[in-house]
Amino acid sequence: KQEVTQIPAALSVPEGENLVLNCSFTDSAIYNLQWFRQDPGKGLTSLLLIQSSQREQTSGRLNASLDKSSGRSTLYIAASQPGDSATYLCAVTNAGKSTFGDGTTLTVKP
Amino acid sequence: GAVVSQHPSRVICKSGTSVKIECRSLDFQATTMFWYRQFPKQSLMLMATSNEGSKATYEQGVEKDKFLINHASLTLSTLTVTSAHPEDSSFYICSARGEGASRVKLFFGSGTQLSVL
Repeated sequence: KQEVTQIPAALSVPEGENLVLNCSFTDSAIYNLQWFRQDPGKGLTSLLLIQSSQREQTSGRLNASLDKSSGRSTLYIAASQPGDSATYLCAVTNAGKSTFGDGTTLTVKP
Repeated sequence: GAVVSQHPSRVICKSGTSVKIECRSLDFQATTMFWYRQFPKQSLMLMATSNEGSKATYEQGVEKDKFLINHASLTLSTLTVTSAHPEDSSFYICSARGEGASRVKLFFGSGTQLSVL
């Protein structure tokens, strides 16, 4: 059974800092890994999708990496802004199902 | 990009009533749709997987008679919470997997906050 862990559970940083969110998974036979953002009481917004054959994806200030052999992915956020404050979830898809981590709640202070 | 529309976004109902939540794929055909439930400060837990034209597959511990799922077309899946009780209050989110170039990605609805009084 796939298990997904996200560390830290919560993170608070001053505006402008670069930061890294971590996601680890137990079964490396994945199809893809996706990072999402969730604002309070809202649905999910897809940020980055990494296929199992890829090592990283970039979108603007966001960079996600994937190391299947070690069962890890990181989401790097450059020059953080207060608007980045949200909960970030990673989801690992394999065998037709997606398993989510519990998320990291990020607070960026002005 | 592909869009999944979920309605309603918020619903308040009395205990014992049934509530229907709709999930529509607006610009792609979704052969598979997923329904998730999220309790406060917890992550999403898969409830069931529905494939167009066939019965939904429920995760262990999810009552299929309580949570009725219908996926009658390639663009619409519905979740009906029957005889809702306060413990059913939660955030429900659907997602859809598209065909072709979009197949590998999950598109999520905006979610439905259900409050049962």
